[in-house]
Amino acid sequence: GQNIDQPTEMTATEGAIVQINCTYQTSGFNGLFWYQQHAGEAPTFLSYNVLDGLEEKGRFSSFLSRSKGYSYLLLKELQMKDSASYLCAVMDSNYQLIWGAGTKLIIKP
Amino acid sequence: DAGVTQSPTHLIKTRGQQVTLRCSPKSGHDTVSWYQQALGQGPQFIFQYYEEEERQRGNFPDRFSGHQFPNYSSELNVNALLLGDSALYLCASSPGTGGSYEQYFGPGTRLTVT
Repeated sequence: GQNIDQPTEMTATEGAIVQINCTYQTSGFNGLFWYQQHAGEAPTFLSYNVLDGLEEKGRFSSFLSRSKGYSYLLLKELQMKDSASYLCAVMDSNYQLIWGAGTKLIIKP
Repeated sequence: DAGVTQSPTHLIKTRGQQVTLRCSPKSGHDTVSWYQQALGQGPQFIFQYYEEEERQRGNFPDRFSGHQFPNYSSELNVNALLLGDSALYLCASSPGTGGSYEQYFGPGTRLTVT
């Protein structure tokens, strides 16, 4: 079966750095996405990785290792507005997105 | 440039009833995907429409059906509603053929079945 695993909840301090991990087992691989979702709102796109390595975009970076079935999202200089759920999703061989359950990130002052 | 829009925002239905949810994709997008998201869970793929046809389908029963119109807007229909159908229904649009790549999500429709 297809499976995406990520921690249920994480807590971090304002101004700090946090890394959210995601491991996956899917039928084929056509890229990995990270989305941010604030409570009661729709997911918004953060990053897309299809090749191994690190993609940096401002305070957010995403890393992919296809051989290990592993990705992480790195958030730097955390702000209170970063409190949200972070969803990892993998596009399988049918170009269908398989989603993790999301990691709820709590930022404390 | 209007993003993805969905209607209605909230809906309350009774078990056994039928419901229709609507979605207008982002300008320039021709592919629409529907997802069901239960509280505290990630989205679950229902189906995807392209060129007015269902191109892919997730693991959902036939009670869930859809349609795409020539202007690329789409409807999701759910028949014989069950309590377990209560969820946030998300529509996402993407451009072009083949892969869906970056998907733009609408605000969702919160469906409550009582």
